[in-house]
Amino acid sequence: SAVISQKPSRDICQRGTSLTIQCQVDSQVTMMFWYRQQPGQSLTLIATANQGSEATYESGFVIDKFPISRPNLTFSTLTVSNMSPEDSSIYLCSVEGGLAGAYEQYFGPGTRLTVT
Amino acid sequence: QKEVEQDPGPLSVPEGAIVSLNCTYSNSAFQYFMWYRQYSRKGPELLMYTYSSGNKEDGRFTAQVDKSSKYISLFIRDSQPSDSATYLCAMSYSGAGSYQLTFGKGTKLSVIP
Repeated sequence: SAVISQKPSRDICQRGTSLTIQCQVDSQVTMMFWYRQQPGQSLTLIATANQGSEATYESGFVIDKFPISRPNLTFSTLTVSNMSPEDSSIYLCSVEGGLAGAYEQYFGPGTRLTVT
Repeated sequence: QKEVEQDPGPLSVPEGAIVSLNCTYSNSAFQYFMWYRQYSRKGPELLMYTYSSGNKEDGRFTAQVDKSSKYISLFIRDSQPSDSATYLCAMSYSGAGSYQLTFGKGTKLSVIP
């Protein structure tokens, strides 16, 4: 199974600022995913990031708000831009893997973001 | 109606009890069904997956899928304090969309020694 690390693990930010979250995987993977986990809500897919192509965003999420980079097969970043208190959430990256297929996803530990 | 409904709990049981966790779904196109376990301050980890109706066992865990009723369950036998976590059901389509997981809200389970 893949080992995933995220930085920072948590942060408290002022509204109007931006935060970039890093995701590092210990092996090369084609597909990386970014999720948001808001309190009391379902884990929600923000976008899929494939190396060498633009990220694919889910309904309700836009590139201007959540720009994503995928410079190589082991690393990705998600930026939360122009933050508001509604962006307070846990952000998780995940990668596909395993014999089970794409639905067997390995998750990072998450980044706990609080916007004041 | 949300695509996946899951009772958030919290659910508290004594050690050794049998635990039943459930999800219902509305979209009959879902073909793969998963249960993830998430410990506090950690990312979810895949516990079990199945793609057919019926039961699948793995140690103390049994996943059950009833596609006709659009209902899935996870049973934990002889529950242990280490099972205390939030359990998330997840579903996906087959083929090109299989990576798009739709999650329930999760059920928080506490197993009391």
